[in-house]
Amino acid sequence: EAGVAQSPRYKIIEKRQSVAFWCNPISGHATLYWYQQILGQGPKLLIQFQNNGVVDDSQLPKDRFSAERLKGVDSTLKIQPAKLEDSAVYLCASSLDGGGFVEQFFGPGTRLTVL
Amino acid sequence: KQEVTQIPAALSVPEGENLVLNCSFTDSAIYNLQWFRQDPGKGLTSLLLIQSSQREQTSGRLNASLDKSSGRSTLYIAASQPGDSATYLCAVAPGEGTALIFGKGTTLSVSS
Repeated sequence: EAGVAQSPRYKIIEKRQSVAFWCNPISGHATLYWYQQILGQGPKLLIQFQNNGVVDDSQLPKDRFSAERLKGVDSTLKIQPAKLEDSAVYLCASSLDGGGFVEQFFGPGTRLTVL
Repeated sequence: KQEVTQIPAALSVPEGENLVLNCSFTDSAIYNLQWFRQDPGKGLTSLLLIQSSQREQTSGRLNASLDKSSGRSTLYIAASQPGDSATYLCAVAPGEGTALIFGKGTTLSVSS
């Protein structure tokens, strides 16, 4: 079974530029999460989708971050304009719905460096 | 607000030692708890998941316990190996299908 795919793996941009990350979850997983992991910290949720609807985006900096999950499968996270403090690893995760046993599976992440 | 704390932040042991990593959480109302491993520059690999109704889970040399009432979980690694060197993250799910709340992790180094 293929895991969660993310691209690109690495990205270096200047501040005020824009950047986009892509995630393809495990086939059949209805729920998709984007987490931000700053160096030395644990991952923190940015946004959670169930199918193509947003479940939780309370911690997403909406003035600069946006995300979409068209057709309820893959997802794109965008930052515009980027700030220095956005340097982090962006992790995508997915999980099945229901069944009483919900485990999240993570992709390899995208490491963003903002100069 | 749920908070997850992991102690110690870093740990160095010689190969062959048994060791325990600690995780504590402030709100005992959790759905499940997951332990992950993260290698440098890599994503998270799920090691063990414990449902709120369970007391422990085992996988090979790993054993994770959960004491919901006291807000604690431990990850026991038996006969440690250099390949176990990584950062270990503990995370709790407040409800079914909710996002995980993570600790900062424990960075383990096992020397040969």
